[in-house]
Amino acid sequence: GNSVTQMEGPVTLSEEAFLTINCTYTATGYPSLFWYVQYPGEGLQLLLKATKADDKGSNKGFEATYRKETTSFHLEKGSVQVSDSAVYFCALSDQSGNQFYFGTGTSLTVIP
Amino acid sequence: EAQVTQNPRYLITVTGKKLTVTCSQNMNHEYMSWYRQDPGLGLRQIYYSMNVEVTDKGDVPEGYKVSRKEKRNFPLILESPSPNQTSLYFCASSLNHPIDTQYFGPGTRLTVL
Repeated sequence: GNSVTQMEGPVTLSEEAFLTINCTYTATGYPSLFWYVQYPGEGLQLLLKATKADDKGSNKGFEATYRKETTSFHLEKGSVQVSDSAVYFCALSDQSGNQFYFGTGTSLTVIP
Repeated sequence: EAQVTQNPRYLITVTGKKLTVTCSQNMNHEYMSWYRQDPGLGLRQIYYSMNVEVTDKGDVPEGYKVSRKEKRNFPLILESPSPNQTSLYFCASSLNHPIDTQYFGPGTRLTVL
C-alpha cells in the first residue's frame, strides 16, 4: 500500500543553520509529493509540492526534489529562522489523485 | 475571506452519544476530506468526497459517517463515539482533488469519555 516515512523529531536548530528533514515513500505508480507545515495552534498549510519525478518544489526558501530512484522527497532550507518553528509533514497523493497519505510529522524548533 | 470553517472547535462528550462535526468551505471547491491527527501517527484520512453525493473511504473510516448534500458542506458524523475516537479532527478542501492545494480548517478537538 501507500505510505510515507519521515525522520522523527524533535529537531532543534540554531538560527541560520541548515535544515534537512528526510522523507521516503512507498507507492504504486506515480504519486504526487507534498510538504505541509503546521504552525502552533493552526491547521496545515501547503509548503511545496512536486508532481513528477525530478521536479523540484520550492517556497519560502524551502526546497525538495522528487527522487523516484530513491523514493525520497527530502526537505531542505539553507538558513532557518525562528519563524520556521513548526511541525512539517511529508505527504503523498496516490496515482488516482483521490486519496492522501501523511507522514507522522517532524517538529522543528529554531532557537535564536 | 476564503476559508474552511469547522464547528465546534472543542467538544467533550460521552461514549455512545451521537455527534456531528460540521465543515463548510466558501471557495466552491469540489474535493473535501476529513483527517484525524494523533500523536506519533500524523494525519490519517477518514473520508473524502470528490463532489456532491460522491464520498469514499480513506484509511480509517470505521466508526464514522459523512454526507455531501451540498458542495460547501461536508459534515462528519460519529453515530456512537468511543474513547478511541478522541482526537484532533481537520476538514480540508481543494479545487478538484488533493493534488491541488488543500486548505485546512482550524481543527476540532474531540474528547470521548
